[in-house]
Amino acid sequence: DTAVSQTPKYLVTQMGNDKSIKCEQNLGHDTMYWYKQDSKKFLKIMFSYNNKELIINETVPNRFSPKSPDKAHLNLHINSLELGDSAVYFCASSQDWSVGQGPDEQFFGPGTRLTVL
Amino acid sequence: SQQGEEDPQALSIQEGENATMNCSYKTSINNLQWYRQNSGRGLVHLILIRSNEREKHSGRLRVTLDTSKKSSSLLITASRAADTASYFCATTALYSNYQLIWGAGTKLIIKP
Repeated sequence: DTAVSQTPKYLVTQMGNDKSIKCEQNLGHDTMYWYKQDSKKFLKIMFSYNNKELIINETVPNRFSPKSPDKAHLNLHINSLELGDSAVYFCASSQDWSVGQGPDEQFFGPGTRLTVL
Repeated sequence: SQQGEEDPQALSIQEGENATMNCSYKTSINNLQWYRQNSGRGLVHLILIRSNEREKHSGRLRVTLDTSKKSSSLLITASRAADTASYFCATTALYSNYQLIWGAGTKLIIKP
C-alpha cells in the first residue's frame, strides 16, 4: 500500500499552460505539504496545509495554488507555467503538531518531475 | 531561506567503512531531522533529534546534536552499497513557523 502517492510521475508541458499535480495520503495524517526540489537537489517548502490553516511560503508565486478537497488530498495547481517552474515537486504528510513543537516525521511521495518547454 | 548546510557535499567510501556527514544551521531550533533520498525517489525519514537531546541511535545510524555549535552529525557504520543516496538534514524552528527548512544534502557513494 502506497502511503503518499502523486500523479503524474512525469509532466512535460509548454510554457504558458495550466497544469495540476495530484497527491493523496492514506495515513490519516492531518497535515500535508508541497515541496519543490530544484536541479541542485535543494528542497524548498511551498505550502503546508491542515484542516485549520494554510501556510504559504511567501516566496511562492501566486500562480501556484493548493487545493484540498478533503483531508487525504492536497493537489497543486499551477497557472501560466514558466521555464523556471521546471523541477521535481514532492508531496508529503505528517501528523498534526502541537503549538511550539513542529512536525515530526514527514512521509514523502515519489515526486513529480515537471519539465516546462 | 536555507537553514542547514551539509558537509561534505559529496562523499565516496568503500563498502564496510563508516560514513560521517555533518549539518550546520544558523538559528535556534526545535528539532533536527535526517532524511535519505535514493536517486529518483522521494525522501525517507531516518532519525529525529530534539533540541534537548545530544545523541540518538537507530540500527547502524548514530546522530549527534551540539546546540552550542549549531551542528549535527550523522554516522553510518559498516556502510553497504544500498546506503548510496543523498542525505539531508532539516530543522524546525520558531522563525520558520516550525516548517522544515532543508540543507542542500550530502551525496554518499558506497563503492563495492
